[in-house]
Amino acid sequence: KNQVEQSPQSLIILEGKNCTLQCNYTVSPFSNLRWYKQDTGRGPVSLTIMTFSENTKSNGRYTATLDADTKQSSLHITASQLSDSASYICVVSDRGSTLGRLYFGRGTQLTVWP
Amino acid sequence: EADIYQTPRYLVIGTGKKITLECSQTMGHDKMYWYQQDPGMELHLIHYSYGVNSTEKGDLSSESTVSRIRTEHFPLTLESARPSHTSQYLCASRADRVQETQYFGPGTRLLVL
Repeated sequence: KNQVEQSPQSLIILEGKNCTLQCNYTVSPFSNLRWYKQDTGRGPVSLTIMTFSENTKSNGRYTATLDADTKQSSLHITASQLSDSASYICVVSDRGSTLGRLYFGRGTQLTVWP
Repeated sequence: EADIYQTPRYLVIGTGKKITLECSQTMGHDKMYWYQQDPGMELHLIHYSYGVNSTEKGDLSSESTVSRIRTEHFPLTLESARPSHTSQYLCASRADRVQETQYFGPGTRLLVL
């Protein structure tokens, strides 16, 4: 079983609307959680990073939240644009790893329609 | 934009051929990684390196091999490609500091016929 689960698997919204993507994890001990954006045919690009003590982080129209007690995170996208169409991947790092090993979710495929 | 490059971006080859996927970064990062990603699935770590002359196998068993002769270069080789190797291969690197972000290359899409 994957230690990082994301929902929904896919999402279609209209341009200008808001949306929220969910991430649940079981990785322990927890170090940090990142949200990555992966455009089709490209490598993932980091959007936000949150450590145990942080419960919210913004990057432009992207706002990530973290509840370390319930091991849940969300990514909220405000006023969506066509360029937001991509896969959004939740990535969790464990504290015990000097490798910096990451645990990846399968991503939420977001499609923004005009 | 991260300074990490992969070539080729797309590759279609026949079964049994030897291939090398190139990855290079100009950020001076010691740690480098290779991931395999199938459509709709999570990334799986297949190889990693702490630095020059250091290579280790990742979580997902792979018939590929890697080498790290120079800091900036981390090529992946398949001696005899098979259709089961068809996938997207992503290279990444990061600085050797706590909480550092992994930067990903654009990926190589491999199709083995």
